[in-house]
Amino acid sequence: DAGVIQSPRHEVTEMGQEVTLRCKPISGHNSLFWYRQTMMRGLELLIYFNNNVPIDDSGMPEDRFSAKMPNASFSTLKIQPSEPRDSAVYFCASSLQGVNTEAFFGQGTRLTVV
Amino acid sequence: GQNIDQPTEMTATEGAIVQINCTYQTSGFNGLFWYQQHAGEAPTFLSYNVLDGLEEKGRFSSFLSRSKGYSYLLLKELQMKDSASYLCAAANTNAGKSTFGDGTTLTVKP
Repeated sequence: DAGVIQSPRHEVTEMGQEVTLRCKPISGHNSLFWYRQTMMRGLELLIYFNNNVPIDDSGMPEDRFSAKMPNASFSTLKIQPSEPRDSAVYFCASSLQGVNTEAFFGQGTRLTVV
Repeated sequence: GQNIDQPTEMTATEGAIVQINCTYQTSGFNGLFWYQQHAGEAPTFLSYNVLDGLEEKGRFSSFLSRSKGYSYLLLKELQMKDSASYLCAAANTNAGKSTFGDGTTLTVKP
């Protein structure tokens, strides 16, 4: 398996624009997580899905952020409108079954909002 | 709520042993993960402790004391490539998610 695949690897956008980050989890994994990492705040869990269903989105900063998982092999994280403070590395991770199994991380998307 | 503490930075010498501590306070605790993250890369799994005690995996070992809310990662025979950030994460079964500490940046010097 190729591991968790994220796209794009880098994204530079202007404030106010819509940004869509994409993730393909490892085949057969039931859980998918979206994290954001910054120097100031470390690694923060934004939302996670179990069997394609959002379980906990309490980490989503505000209504500008939304995430979907239409099927077991694809998820998106959308920011609309984007703001400079959204600049961070966004990681997608998947695990075989929930929180008690190791998470495999994608290479991340480095987002810069100018 | 959940609170996870680990030192921000540590420095050690190549060939030496270093212990990175992690304390946690969380309800519904089920286990403690350690991940390694090199600069500019994604975190990668190192270990997962559910029961008290020490688990050894090559040069790396991880310890857990549930009663004390304490874990450590022990790195032996340090190599330059071990310079990285080490993240501990507490798994909370009730919440169904893990909470990460801010990470300990380890610098290995010759």
